[in-house]
Amino acid sequence: NAGVTQTPKFQVLKTGQSMTLQCAQDMNHEYMSWYRQDPGMGLRLIHYSVGAGITDQGEVPNGYNVSRSTTEDFPLRLLSAAPSQTSVYFCASSPTSGVGDTQYFGPGTRLTVL
Amino acid sequence: AQKITQTQPGMFVQEKEAVTLDCTYDTSDQSYGLFWYKQPSSGEMIFLIYQGSYDEQNATEGRYSLNFQKARKSANLVISASQLGDSAMYFCAMREGLNTGNQFYFGTGTSLTVIP
Repeated sequence: NAGVTQTPKFQVLKTGQSMTLQCAQDMNHEYMSWYRQDPGMGLRLIHYSVGAGITDQGEVPNGYNVSRSTTEDFPLRLLSAAPSQTSVYFCASSPTSGVGDTQYFGPGTRLTVL
Repeated sequence: AQKITQTQPGMFVQEKEAVTLDCTYDTSDQSYGLFWYKQPSSGEMIFLIYQGSYDEQNATEGRYSLNFQKARKSANLVISASQLGDSAMYFCAMREGLNTGNQFYFGTGTSLTVIP
């Protein structure tokens, strides 16, 4: 199993550009989520999905879109990049949304918006 | 109110000594899970240990144990016999069952440095 994979590992964008961060998991997990990590702020939830076709907003959803057309894939779209979106982005998955299920994280994408 | 509070931005411990990383949580739900993750300087997030709200015994995983005090709403991580490889950021997290999706809440983390 590859686990949770993310591409790209690094990305530099100019203000106003759009892009998609890719996330895939091969563990048949129902639950997937996107976080951003900023210094001193821990991980903050952007969007999550409890299954194919179902997505919902987290704590900091503005400026981001997601879709979940398959169980495996959960891409994150930046609509019009802003310097405030400079961050490290993590995708994670868990078997279900049960309170006892841990999340497994991808390696992260370091995004810089100029 | 913060769901997860980690009050120690940085901690130092001598190699081979034990160290406790503090975590308090806030929830009105009866069913919830508490997790600790390690983030070394390489950046990946590594799951360490889990404690369920209904578990009466403290969770243990090798050198890691979780000191769960439900009435105090605390879930401190204890690392015994610290090793140089334990130097990392440590995040406490909670997953509660109140809302659809049972999302995770993370603390701001504690940076642990193990001194040789």
